[in-house]
Amino acid sequence: DSGVTQTPKHLITATGQRVTLRCSPRSGDLSVYWYQQSLDQGLQFLIQYYNGEERAKGNILERFSAQQFPDLHSELNLSSLELGDSALYFCASRREVTGNEKLFFGSGTQLSVL
Amino acid sequence: AQKVTQAQTEISVVEKEDVTLDCVYETRDTTYYLFWYKQPPSGELVFLIRRNSFDEQNEISGRYSWNFQKSTSSFNFTITASQVVDSAVYFCALSPPGANNLFFGTGTRLTIIP
Repeated sequence: DSGVTQTPKHLITATGQRVTLRCSPRSGDLSVYWYQQSLDQGLQFLIQYYNGEERAKGNILERFSAQQFPDLHSELNLSSLELGDSALYFCASRREVTGNEKLFFGSGTQLSVL
Repeated sequence: AQKVTQAQTEISVVEKEDVTLDCVYETRDTTYYLFWYKQPPSGELVFLIRRNSFDEQNEISGRYSWNFQKSTSSFNFTITASQVVDSAVYFCALSPPGANNLFFGTGTRLTIIP
C-alpha cells in the first residue's frame, strides 16, 4: 500500500459531462501529481501541486483543471468530456517539490466516457 | 529535452526463462536519477528501483538486476528465472535535477507463459 488514496476507482460517464477525481496524498507529502495513462499515450504528466500551489504543468487540456486544498488533498476536474478522455488517471505524491525522491502512486481512477 | 525510450512494446517468455527489458534515455544533464516502476494487472504503479547517475554499479535484488551504462545512456532491467507473477507492464523513468516530475517511457508489457 503506497499510502496514496484515490477515489473513485471506476467512473463511467457520458460525453459532455463533468467529473471530479479525488486524491489524498501520503501523510506528510506536500507535492501531488496527476498523470493520465491511455493506451496510445502511455503515462502523461498532467499537473503538479505543492502545498496548495500549482508548480508545474504538463500535457493538461484546458478542459481539465486541478486544485490542492489546505488539507493537501487534491481534485482533478474534467469537463466537456470526450471519448478520448477515457483513461486511467493516477495521482502520486512525494515530500519534495522537485528533486529525485521517488513518487508514490495511488491505484488510479479508471474513467470510461461513453 | 528529456526522453525515455522503451523500444520493446511487448515481450513474452516462458516461465523460468531470463528476460531483459531495455531502457534508453536522453538528457543533457550530467546528474539525474533513473527509475523503474512495475504495473501489475491490478493497475497500481509499484516502485522498483532508483539509481543516481553517478553510481554505475549494477544492482541486484533477488531475481531482479539492473545494468546502468552511462556511456550508452541505458538502464536495462533483467529478471532471472521469470515467474508468472512477473507479468506486468514495466516503466522506466528519468528525473533530471530540479525537475518537478518524472519522465516516463511508454512501458514494456511482459507476459510470462506458464
